[in-house]
Amino acid sequence: DGGITQSPKYLFRKEGQNVTLSCEQNLNHDAMYWYRQDPGQGLRLIYYSQIVNDFQKGDIAEGYSVSREKKESFPLTVTSAQKNPTAFYLCASSIAGQYSDTQYFGPGTRLTVL
Amino acid sequence: AQSVTQLDSQVPVFEEAPVELRCNYSSSVSVYLFWYVQYPNQGLQLLLKYLSGSTLVKGINGFEAEFNKSQTSFHLRKPSVHISDTAEYFCAVSVITDKLIFGTGTRLQVFP
Repeated sequence: DGGITQSPKYLFRKEGQNVTLSCEQNLNHDAMYWYRQDPGQGLRLIYYSQIVNDFQKGDIAEGYSVSREKKESFPLTVTSAQKNPTAFYLCASSIAGQYSDTQYFGPGTRLTVL
Repeated sequence: AQSVTQLDSQVPVFEEAPVELRCNYSSSVSVYLFWYVQYPNQGLQLLLKYLSGSTLVKGINGFEAEFNKSQTSFHLRKPSVHISDTAEYFCAVSVITDKLIFGTGTRLQVFP
């Protein structure tokens, strides 16, 4: 079955540690996205990539970093510079990155920083 | 820049009753409009989208939405809800030159 996988589902880290969230898709989509979801705030875009080896900052990129070395993979690193990293993180992909495209979402990773 | 407002943070309704979830947007150019559903602790799934053409859009699970340009609205409706419709619903808007913007969500709670 085609889809997006995110791992792990739950992640606990101590304050000051970097952590990397995995996102893999087998939909052969060109574009991939990372969103952060906080209660009552909807989804906010962190980073997006429309092609391998290229990515752009979203609205809340500070304290995060990404890479896109392979079409199917778009890992997100939450660095110690992110002041409030506890949140639900969602990865998505779309066929070509056009703004009319449907975005397909993974099941999410819930990060808790202690 | 465009924006989207979901005025109702929570909507309680009894099973088999009709429901309307409201969404208003702001944009100076033509928009694309989407409704996504999120079940607890899961990702989002597309319910329906409006790109152009007929203003009444039918989606999955019996939902439909109507694009009203004069009122800048894209309300989601279902004539008879089921317990399984309990979820959070997000309205989203994009334009040809900008990314997808999500509303803050409406939690639909269906009671037996």
